[in-house]
Amino acid sequence: NAGVMQNPRHLVRRRGQEARLRCSPMKGHSHVYWYRQLPEEGLKFMVYLQKENIIDESGMPKERFSAEFPKEGPSILRIQQVVRGDSAAYFCASSASTGDTEAFFGQGTRLTVV
Amino acid sequence: DQQVKQNSPSLSVQEGRISILNCDYTNSMFDYFLWYKKYPAEGPTFLISISSIKDKNEDGRFTVFLNKSAKHLSLHIVPSQPGDSAVYFCAASDMGSGTYKYIFGTGTRLKVLA
Repeated sequence: NAGVMQNPRHLVRRRGQEARLRCSPMKGHSHVYWYRQLPEEGLKFMVYLQKENIIDESGMPKERFSAEFPKEGPSILRIQQVVRGDSAAYFCASSASTGDTEAFFGQGTRLTVV
Repeated sequence: DQQVKQNSPSLSVQEGRISILNCDYTNSMFDYFLWYKKYPAEGPTFLISISSIKDKNEDGRFTVFLNKSAKHLSLHIVPSQPGDSAVYFCAASDMGSGTYKYIFGTGTRLKVLA
């Protein structure tokens, strides 16, 4: 049973380009969470999704950021018109449905905006 | 507004001694708490958790203590080993809200000296 898979591991984008980060949850998991870790900081919650639904996006910046978790395929975190301040490690976590209180994290995508 | 605080950014402990990592929270609705360990360039890995109905949970060398009245939890590692050197994050969740999102502290970097 493969763990949470994130790709790419490293992504370099020029200012103004789009970044797409992918997350495949663990098999059988239907809850996905995205977190961002800025240098020397902790993990900040961004968004919580279930299949085809955004449950809580209270941590998402109001502009340029969007997330989806379609019925088929991975969850996507999309950042449009990236700026230098978007450079960070982005982690995805997944958990099973009801009753499961532990989330498993992927290895993260390190985004560098140049 | 930092709802989960880890006030010690770093801690050094001699091998074989006890490591105590502390965490404070402000939201009285939090009812589930977790500790994650993170090595550089990897995702956080789950270590141990505790529900608010308990005040102690033990798993091998790791014990988590919860003091609800003080809104404080701590992770004890005994005996500490060099392989325990990592960044430790505490996280809290309001499971009653049904969103299952975790709020993380900023982490404590533990260094176990051989």
